[in-house]
Amino acid sequence: NAGVMQNPRHLVRRRGQEARLRCSPMKGHSHVYWYRQLPEEGLKFMVYLQKENIIDESGMPKERFSAEFPKEGPSILRIQQVVRGDSAAYFCASSPPSLAGGQFFFGPGTRLTVL
Amino acid sequence: DAKTTQPTSMDCAEGRAANLPCNHSTISGNEYVYWYRQIHSQGPQYIIHGLKNNETNEMASLIITEDRKSSTLILPHATLRDTAVYYCIVGSGNTGKLIFGQGTTLQVKP
Repeated sequence: NAGVMQNPRHLVRRRGQEARLRCSPMKGHSHVYWYRQLPEEGLKFMVYLQKENIIDESGMPKERFSAEFPKEGPSILRIQQVVRGDSAAYFCASSPPSLAGGQFFFGPGTRLTVL
Repeated sequence: DAKTTQPTSMDCAEGRAANLPCNHSTISGNEYVYWYRQIHSQGPQYIIHGLKNNETNEMASLIITEDRKSSTLILPHATLRDTAVYYCIVGSGNTGKLIFGQGTTLQVKP
């Protein structure tokens, strides 16, 4: 009964490169959420996705960031032309289709370092 | 902005109960109270959640006041491994948009 899986766990990119972060939700979960945690700060909501749909992207930066959750495969958070300020821990969470006050399970995170 | 207010830090002696308070005076009728913790910058770990009744599981108990404006998380027998940042969050449960505040840093001391 694997939990939420994220890879890679650590990612190093140079300024201007692209970063791709992957999240596989728990089995049976069709809702995925991405959060970002800057150094010494709390977690900030970025985006909420269901299969093939973006439900709420109110926390996503307007430029360079995109997210998808295809019908098959993991959810992807993509950051184009990374800058040093993108260095952070990115956490993915998942939940089952029926929320009703349900639990959200977080993955171990991907730590992105931009040189 | 977070809808909850928590003390910045607390200490607890190992083996004693840790009582972590949280104020959520603007909570609405359909919002749940969730507690998560984060150890050493790992992924947040779910602890417990409730709507209006007190809840207990293998990790903790959640006491919600009758007016629902505040709650207390109780770790009955704190261990050193319970040292973490504890987040109290209110949310409708219909979305995953949990708003994390700064949380309470609990230090369990031998």
